[in-house]
Amino acid sequence: AQKVTQAQTEISVVEKEDVTLDCVYETRDTTYYLFWYKQPPSGELVFLIRRNSFDEQNEISGRYSWNFQKSTSSFNFTITASQVVDSAVYFCALSEVTSGTYKYIFGTGTRLKVLA
Amino acid sequence: DSGVTQTPKHLITATGQRVTLRCSPRSGDLSVYWYQQSLDQGLQFLIQYYNGEERAKGNILERFSAQQFPDLHSELNLSSLELGDSALYFCASSPRVGTGGTILETQYFGPGTRLLVL
Repeated sequence: AQKVTQAQTEISVVEKEDVTLDCVYETRDTTYYLFWYKQPPSGELVFLIRRNSFDEQNEISGRYSWNFQKSTSSFNFTITASQVVDSAVYFCALSEVTSGTYKYIFGTGTRLKVLA
Repeated sequence: DSGVTQTPKHLITATGQRVTLRCSPRSGDLSVYWYQQSLDQGLQFLIQYYNGEERAKGNILERFSAQQFPDLHSELNLSSLELGDSALYFCASSPRVGTGGTILETQYFGPGTRLLVL
C-alpha cells in the first residue's frame, strides 16, 4: 500500500543550524514521484520540488537540498544555515499511477521552528 | 503572489447546505488541482482537471463535484455539508500535466478557502 511517513512531528533549531527533515515512503510501483511542500504560518502552500523515481541524483537549490535514496525509500530534505523565515510545516508527498488509477498521498507534515 | 486566485476566502455555512468554491489559475496554466486540508484528515488530493477534462481523482467524496470551464477557471461544489467538511480548500495550477494526471512541474497554489460548517 502507498504510504508516506514523516516521523518528526516537530523540530526546533537555532538560526544558522542545519536541519534535515525525514520522509520515508512505501510503494509497490517502480514509477512514482516524490514532492516536498512548505506551508508557512501564513497558511499558503508552496511547491518546493518534484522528483521522479528514476532520478536519484541529489538536488540543491540555494540553502535547500534533497537526498533521494531508493534503497531506503527515503527522500530527505535538508536546510543549511536555517533562517527564521524557514519556520513552517513541511509536507512530503508521493504520487503514482497504478492500474490506471492516480494515487497521491501526503505525509502528516513536520513543523520546523527556527529560533532567532 | 502565486497568480492563482480563490474565492471566497472564508465561508461559514450550516450542515446540509451546498457551497461553491471558485479558483482561477495562473494565466496560461491549463491544469487545476483541488486539495483539502483538515485537522482530522490532513492534506488530501481531491481532483485534477486539464483543459476542461478530469484527469485524476483522489479522495473526493460523492457529495463533492468539480468542473473546469472553457476559460479554465474551476469550481468545487460541496453539497449536503457535514461538520467534518470544515477545512481549508486549496486550488493549485500548473501549465501541463502528464499521463494519468502526473504532476510534471511546479504547482502554484492559491491562498485557499476556509470553510466552516456549523
